[in-house]
Amino acid sequence: QKEVEQNSGPLSVPEGAIASLNCTYSDRGSQSFFWYRQYSGKSPELIMSIYSNGDKEDGRFTAQLNKASQYVSLLIRDSQPSDSATYLCAVFNQAGTALIFGKGTTLSVSS
Amino acid sequence: EAQVTQNPRYLITVTGKKLTVTCSQNMNHEYMSWYRQDPGLGLRQIYYSMNVEVTDKGDVPEGYKVSRKEKRNFPLILESPSPNQTSLYFCASSLNRANTGELFFGEGSRLTVL
Repeated sequence: QKEVEQNSGPLSVPEGAIASLNCTYSDRGSQSFFWYRQYSGKSPELIMSIYSNGDKEDGRFTAQLNKASQYVSLLIRDSQPSDSATYLCAVFNQAGTALIFGKGTTLSVSS
Repeated sequence: EAQVTQNPRYLITVTGKKLTVTCSQNMNHEYMSWYRQDPGLGLRQIYYSMNVEVTDKGDVPEGYKVSRKEKRNFPLILESPSPNQTSLYFCASSLNRANTGELFFGEGSRLTVL
C-alpha cells in the first residue's frame, strides 16, 4: 500500500507571503501526483497535477516534483486569506484504480 | 452545470437500520468512487466502479455495498449501519481510467449512526 505523508500543520503565513506545502510518498514507482484543496465543510477540489520532475506553474501556484527524493511540494505565492484551507496531496495506488490521499496540511493566511 | 450530486447531505440514523446514500453525476463519467473522511485518517476509498456493472473494493469496503446499473448513478448501501460508520462520505467521478487522478467530488454526506 502506498503511503502519502504530509505535515498536518497548521501552517500559518501572513498575507502576501509564500506558503510552502510538502508531501512525501513511499512508492518509488509513483508517476502521477495531485494537489487538492478542501475548504472547511466543503469537498476537495483539484488545483494542480504534476507528472514530470521539475516545476509546474499555474497562476500563483507552483507544484514541484522530485522523484529521486520521493517528494512533491506546492508553493503558493502572494498568499491570500482566501487560500486558508486544507491541502491534500494524492498519488495513484499501485493498480491505478484509486487516489491515495495524505491527511492534509491546514494552511492559515492572516491578513 | 457539471456536478456530482449526493443525497442525503445529512443523516442521523440508528444501528442496524439499512440506508442508501445516492450519488449521481451528469458528466457522462465512466469512473466513480466512494470515499469516507475521518479526522486523523484522511480520505479512504470504500468502493469504486470503472464502468456500468463493474465495481470493486477499495481500502475500507467492510459494511458497505454498491451497485452501478446506470452510468450516472452509484449508490452506497449500508445494510446494517454501526457507529463506526459515522463519517463524512464523498462520492467522486472522473472521465475514465486515464483521468482517475482528476476527480470531481460531490458535496459530501455526513452520516451519524447512533
